[in-house]
Amino acid sequence: AQSVAQPEDQVNVAEGNPLTVKCTYSVSGNPYLFWYVQYPNRGLQFLLKYITGDNLVKGSYGFEAEFNKSQTSFHLKKPSALVSDSALYFCAVRNFNKFYFGSGTKLNVKP
Amino acid sequence: DAGVIQSPRHEVTEMGQEVTLRCKPISGHNSLFWYRQTMMRGLELLIYFNNNVPIDDSGMPEDRFSAKMPNASFSTLKIQPSEPRDSAVYFCASSFLAFEASGRAPNEQFFGPGTRLTVL
Repeated sequence: AQSVAQPEDQVNVAEGNPLTVKCTYSVSGNPYLFWYVQYPNRGLQFLLKYITGDNLVKGSYGFEAEFNKSQTSFHLKKPSALVSDSALYFCAVRNFNKFYFGSGTKLNVKP
Repeated sequence: DAGVIQSPRHEVTEMGQEVTLRCKPISGHNSLFWYRQTMMRGLELLIYFNNNVPIDDSGMPEDRFSAKMPNASFSTLKIQPSEPRDSAVYFCASSFLAFEASGRAPNEQFFGPGTRLTVL
């Protein structure tokens, strides 16, 4: 069965500090992995994806994610957090034509 | 590109009434997805279409829910009769999806702004 786990409901970080939002996955076949961000009262916005190639993927707004096959993880990272990064973040895996989303992690960046 | 368009943005109705949510996907996309988001259950896939054909409706909660895609530029999600537990934000998303054998890289989904449904 395909699944995505986001073990943290909430992550708190101070502005300017590095942030990590964790994601682990379980999928049969090649893992196609995605990160989305949701701001209040908005739809989900695509941040980045891993298909193949370099394990470090760079995306929008300075975010990046590291694919680790041995640990089946795809953690989202940013070197220096901004208050405006505060939002709900979803990890997703695509298997064939279906997307499986994690439960979401609320990121709070405090000034 | 206007992105995925959903209407209405907000809907308040009374229990037992019929509710119709509408979605216009991004032009050129061949797949459309309906999701429901609640605090309790998170983001749930209800149904998805590929080339206007329903492929997987296993997430549709009950027979009260139905979805159609009469053409590539329009889809509806209908709830009849509506119940208070249907209150949620309903998202439509579209994508260009190619099957693995095509060799094309998988594409991401683009989400609409959602419809916030409140059933009293």
